[in-house]
Amino acid sequence: RKEVEQDPGPFNVPEGATVAFNCTYSNSASQSFFWYRQDCRKEPKLLMSVYSSGNEDGRFTAQLNRASQYISLLIRDSKLSDSATYLCVVNLNSGYSTLTFGKGTMLLVSP
Amino acid sequence: DAGITQSPRYKITETGRQVTLMCHQTWSHSYMFWYRQDLGHGLRLIYYSAAADITDKGEVPDGYVVSRSKTENFPLTLESATRSQTSVYFCASSDEWHTQYFGPGTRLTVL
Repeated sequence: RKEVEQDPGPFNVPEGATVAFNCTYSNSASQSFFWYRQDCRKEPKLLMSVYSSGNEDGRFTAQLNRASQYISLLIRDSKLSDSATYLCVVNLNSGYSTLTFGKGTMLLVSP
Repeated sequence: DAGITQSPRYKITETGRQVTLMCHQTWSHSYMFWYRQDLGHGLRLIYYSAAADITDKGEVPDGYVVSRSKTENFPLTLESATRSQTSVYFCASSDEWHTQYFGPGTRLTVL
């Protein structure tokens, strides 16, 4: 099983749509989970951390399902500026600060 | 507020030459990381450092050397560059909660 796995997409959605991404991870003992955003040829930037109880930041909602070992990202009311690659990131080695990055899911929002 | 910077931003070199990529952070983060990003592979960890004078190998360390004599600097050296090391290199630093913050990247081409 790949350590952090994402659907590469692309997801093509119109403005205003709701879109959801899932990501699975291999280590049930993982403790830290994040979603990063990466624009073309730029550095990854933290979008949000993912907490056990789920969390929301404006139009973005992240959820964690430990039993099934996946995290999700929901984007409501998509904007053109949301077009980017979304990286699922997991601390697979509990107790260490190294993170494992998924290969990313590309989102394209069209007018 | 400089955050984390990398230099050079672009570099073209020839096979067999030694190249050093610089990374500097102003947050006093203990952890620093070097990644490479290639199409089809996502971000792969080369080396990381938990503190000054403490470094450890990541997923793809062969052909690279790091040092960390000061907390704020984490240079990456390619001792004898090869074409397979053509890539985008990102440096990152981390606080104690595992969140990593990335520099703008160095685009390296080895001819």
